[in-house]
Amino acid sequence: GNSVTQMEGPVTLSEEAFLTINCTYTATGYPSLFWYVQYPGEGLQLLLKATKADDKGSNKGFEATYRKETTSFHLEKGSVQVSDSAVYFCALLEGGFKTIFGAGTRLFVKA
Amino acid sequence: NAGVTQTPKFQVLKTGQSMTLQCAQDMNHNSMYWYRQDPGMGLRLIYYSASEGTTDKGEVPNGYNVSRLNKREFSLRLESAAPSQTSVYFCASRAEGARTEAFFGQGTRLTVV
Repeated sequence: GNSVTQMEGPVTLSEEAFLTINCTYTATGYPSLFWYVQYPGEGLQLLLKATKADDKGSNKGFEATYRKETTSFHLEKGSVQVSDSAVYFCALLEGGFKTIFGAGTRLFVKA
Repeated sequence: NAGVTQTPKFQVLKTGQSMTLQCAQDMNHNSMYWYRQDPGMGLRLIYYSASEGTTDKGEVPNGYNVSRLNKREFSLRLESAAPSQTSVYFCASRAEGARTEAFFGQGTRLTVV
């Protein structure tokens, strides 16, 4: 079946450091791909998405490119802030109905 | 703009007790979902409803039942709670289509003792 694998955390960075969180997927066809973010005590919210190969999703300085050759959707940010500390989930939409999530990666950003 | 509203936010149950988690969305979405979140395991789908009047099992349905009461509301019932059901539960909704994202409620933290 379809699945999403993302790098284990926690990831600890200093403010203004470069962030990469790796995400790879297994799927039939070309599903839409998403990154969600969860701040402490809250539900998940969409960070960005890409709906076809080579699309780049971007939001709040975060970017991810849909790479069908490597079945990857890695999240990047050039300069992280303390306020970016959260848990990040990579996900794919299966069959137009079910969202399949990775295990999540916790990010800590130190001032 | 309420979005997806879940009640209650916190609950403690004794083993064997029953309860219903409520969820309502005001975005006119067809699809609604119940997930549980456990440390290190991401979100696992319990049940989903692709449209009013239909429900389907997800990855971990055992011990749960659901009701799609109308287009707005989708409830999750634990008939006889077990400690293994201690978790954070999230309801989500999504508009129809292969490119749409899910909108989540704030979650219900359930402890079964």
